[in-house]
Amino acid sequence: EPEVTQTPSHQVTQMGQEVILRCVPISNHLYFYWYRQILGQKVEFLVSFYNNEISEKSEIFDDQFSVERPDGSNFTLKIRSTKLEDSAMYFCASTPSTDTQYFGPGTRLTVL
Amino acid sequence: QQQVKQSPQSLIVQKGGISIINCAYENTAFDYFPWYQQFPGKGPALLIAIRPDVSEKKEGRFTISFNKSAKQFSLHIMDSQPGDSATYFCAASSGGGATNKLIFGTGTLLAVQP
Repeated sequence: EPEVTQTPSHQVTQMGQEVILRCVPISNHLYFYWYRQILGQKVEFLVSFYNNEISEKSEIFDDQFSVERPDGSNFTLKIRSTKLEDSAMYFCASTPSTDTQYFGPGTRLTVL
Repeated sequence: QQQVKQSPQSLIVQKGGISIINCAYENTAFDYFPWYQQFPGKGPALLIAIRPDVSEKKEGRFTISFNKSAKQFSLHIMDSQPGDSATYFCAASSGGGATNKLIFGTGTLLAVQP
């Protein structure tokens, strides 16, 4: 069964550094999402992406964040200058054209 | 109005018992209500979902009950098993397609004791 994959599984970075989180959505899916989950808290929507542009973004998704689908298969989330409060699990999700979103296993980001 | 309220925060059930998790929402534009199961270190996995045109949906041991007038929905896990021990999130969305962001509840940590 096709799955959403994410790399790396764990990323440790220093405050102020740039990080890129990578996702490979399920191949025939058209809609892509990033969510984050701070330890012990609920999953929060960050951004949705369709037809090579952002469809919607949350208040969390400020100018430090960007997304890209550089090659038709990968979907990346970049944080330009990480802050301590960016430490969280970041989940990528994709969906074909229905409501069911399929989540990847996540990348744990630790900002020191 | 975008919130989804979930209770209880944690739940302990004996093997074979019924687990019940409740969620409530305010936004009447929500038209899709999934439940996700999450094991430690893993991403959320869709368990079962319902739309407001039906009051109940059953898949195996998992049932969603939906009360549109009360703006509430609940997950029932029948014959709970230790392997069901996980965190359960309700969610809601509206609009479909690219704007179909999921609004998650705060999660319920379920422990099924053998």
